[in-house]
Amino acid sequence: GEQVEQLPSILRVQERSSASINCTYENSASNYFPWYKQEPGENPKLIIDIRSNMERKQIQGLIVLLDKKAKRFSLHITDTQPADSAMYFCAMATGGNNKLTFGQGTVLSVIP
Amino acid sequence: EAAVTQSPRNKVTVTGGNVTLSCRQTNSHNYMYWYRQDTGHGLRLIHYSYGAGNLQIGDVPDGYKATRTTQEDFFLLLELASPSQTSLYFCASSDAPGGGSYEQYFGPGTRLTVL
Repeated sequence: GEQVEQLPSILRVQERSSASINCTYENSASNYFPWYKQEPGENPKLIIDIRSNMERKQIQGLIVLLDKKAKRFSLHITDTQPADSAMYFCAMATGGNNKLTFGQGTVLSVIP
Repeated sequence: EAAVTQSPRNKVTVTGGNVTLSCRQTNSHNYMYWYRQDTGHGLRLIHYSYGAGNLQIGDVPDGYKATRTTQEDFFLLLELASPSQTSLYFCASSDAPGGGSYEQYFGPGTRLTVL
C-alpha cells in the first residue's frame, strides 16, 4: 500500500525558535497533503493542508511546502511556543479518494 | 462544529474475546473511518465506508470486521481478540470528495486492552 515516511520522530526546540518536520511519499499521483496535530490525551485535528496545485501555504505561524519533483512536503512552525508541544502527523491522499495515509508522527517539545 | 462520539472509551477484554466498538457522527458526512494508533506507526486505517451498507478495506484489516448500519453509525468488530490488537482506536468522518473539504473529524478514541 501507500507509504509516507515522516522524520524526525522526536524534535525538541527552544521557545521562539523554528521547528521543521519532513515527509516523503512514493506515489506521484498523490494530490492532497494535510497535517494533523494531536495534543496529549486528545484526538488529532487538522491544522493546515496543501493540494498539489500549490507549492507553499501559510496560516499564521504555520508554513507548508510541497516539492512534487522530490515527492517531499514539510511543515515549518515559526516562533514556537510551549502550546505547540504535541504530536504532529503528516498525511496524503491520492486521486479523488478521501483515504488518507499517515506518517509515523513527530513528538514536538518546545522548551521554555 | 463536527461531532463524532465513540463508545466505550475504555475496554479491557481477554484473548479470544468478542469486542464491538461503536462510533456515531452527527455531521451528515458520507465517509467514516476506523483507525488504530500505535507508537512508531502513526494512524493506520483499518476499514472505511462511504455510506450505509458500504464497506471498504483499509491498510490493516486482518482480524477486524466493520459494519455501517446508517449514515450516522459505524461499528468495528473484533471477534477473536488478540493481544496484538491492544491499541488506541479512533473513528473519523468526512465529506465526500468534491464536497469542498477533505478534513477528517476524529472522535475521542477508545483504548482497548486485550489481556
